[in-house]
Amino acid sequence: DSGVTQTPKHLITATGQRVTLRCSPRSGDLSVYWYQQSLDQGLQFLIQYYNGEERAKGNILERFSAQQFPDLHSELNLSSLELGDSALYFCASSASSYEQYFGPGTRLTVT
Amino acid sequence: GESVGLHLPTLSVQEGDNSIINCAYSNSASDYFIWYKQESGKGPQFIIDIRSNMDKRQGQRVTVLLNKTVKHLSLQIAATQPGDSAVYFCAETEMDSSYKLIFGSGTRLLVRP
Repeated sequence: DSGVTQTPKHLITATGQRVTLRCSPRSGDLSVYWYQQSLDQGLQFLIQYYNGEERAKGNILERFSAQQFPDLHSELNLSSLELGDSALYFCASSASSYEQYFGPGTRLTVT
Repeated sequence: GESVGLHLPTLSVQEGDNSIINCAYSNSASDYFIWYKQESGKGPQFIIDIRSNMDKRQGQRVTVLLNKTVKHLSLQIAATQPGDSAVYFCAETEMDSSYKLIFGSGTRLLVRP
């Protein structure tokens, strides 16, 4: 157990809908990273927050957004969902370095 | 939940043999290289890392080798066990890029009993 929790574990929704994925980092970790794991793209970095502020952005679509709250949990919001957004979404947390601990992921299925 | 069912190269080894998993990376400026193990239905799990100024690092049953000349990374697993069956990813990162991880495409390791 990495200490990172993600909810929900599974999510099935229809095209055009909006969903929110939640992540609670390990106790004391200030950084939260979001990654997408899809069939054709592998594991890709989406966005990072550090202590409530956006720190880095990857290939994140404009339809996707994230935030980190004062209690350090983070949410990834995915809107206007398309079939191609079906993937595993992982959150990882880190104290201050490259050593990231991954949660169990949320499997999103868009039908 | 599988690890997405990617079409990955597969390495099949006999239990007890040594395994070598290879990875090519792209960014000469990367500061750290990390190997992750992803078991079915789980998130990636940190195995071992190596800093760019090193060429070898050993852990428990694992060794990582770094060849910066050809931008190549390898993970050696000694006395491979059934519990080692998983998908293995290499990742690279730069301190200046907030340590976001850039992952390789992964290799599936199957251990035959």
